[in-house]
Amino acid sequence: QKEVEQNSGPLSVPEGAIASLNCTYSDRGSQSFFWYRQYSGKSPELIMFIYSNGDKEDGRFTAQLNKASQYVSLLIRDSQPSDSATYLCAVRSGGSYIPTFGRGTSLIVHP
Amino acid sequence: DARVTQTPRDKVTEMGQEVTMRCQPILGHNTVFWYRQTMMQGLELLAYFRNRAPLDDSGMPKDRFSAEMPDATLATLKIQPSEPRDSAVYFCASGYGGETEAFFGQGTRLTVV
Repeated sequence: QKEVEQNSGPLSVPEGAIASLNCTYSDRGSQSFFWYRQYSGKSPELIMFIYSNGDKEDGRFTAQLNKASQYVSLLIRDSQPSDSATYLCAVRSGGSYIPTFGRGTSLIVHP
Repeated sequence: DARVTQTPRDKVTEMGQEVTMRCQPILGHNTVFWYRQTMMQGLELLAYFRNRAPLDDSGMPKDRFSAEMPDATLATLKIQPSEPRDSAVYFCASGYGGETEAFFGQGTRLTVV
């Protein structure tokens, strides 16, 4: 069974700090990796995706992928209180169109 | 503004009643997912359609749940009879092909009393 694991948190960081969110997955055949942000009472929204090993940067967000170690992480630089949300990691295996979601990490950015 | 539209947004029903949730995927998208989200289980896949054909419903309780896609602009999820344990937020998501991300609707919050 394909599993995607995340620490539920909450992860609490001060405003302006770097928040580091981690995700591990069990299926070595995984090809696509996504980070979604979900505010309380709202739907998940995609913020980053990464397919290749290494780093991918988009504004204050950086996704890091290490397929050999089967983990993907999300770094949020200069964290803002508006970044406070649950961050969901999703993984899709090669040949499958179905993303499997982790249960999410709750991030709290305090002023 | 392309978005996935779900109705109703909230539904309170009595145990034993039929519940129907509807989803309008983004125009042009050919994949549709139904997910259920609870605090205990997180996001669980219930059903997956591609080009209107159901390809995976292994996560769906077959005795009471059914999912259909009568046309490219409408996907439905039915629960009959509903039970209190079905209380959750049900999300529909759509995408194009197999290589793109899934876009989520606003969800239907179902409460079965």
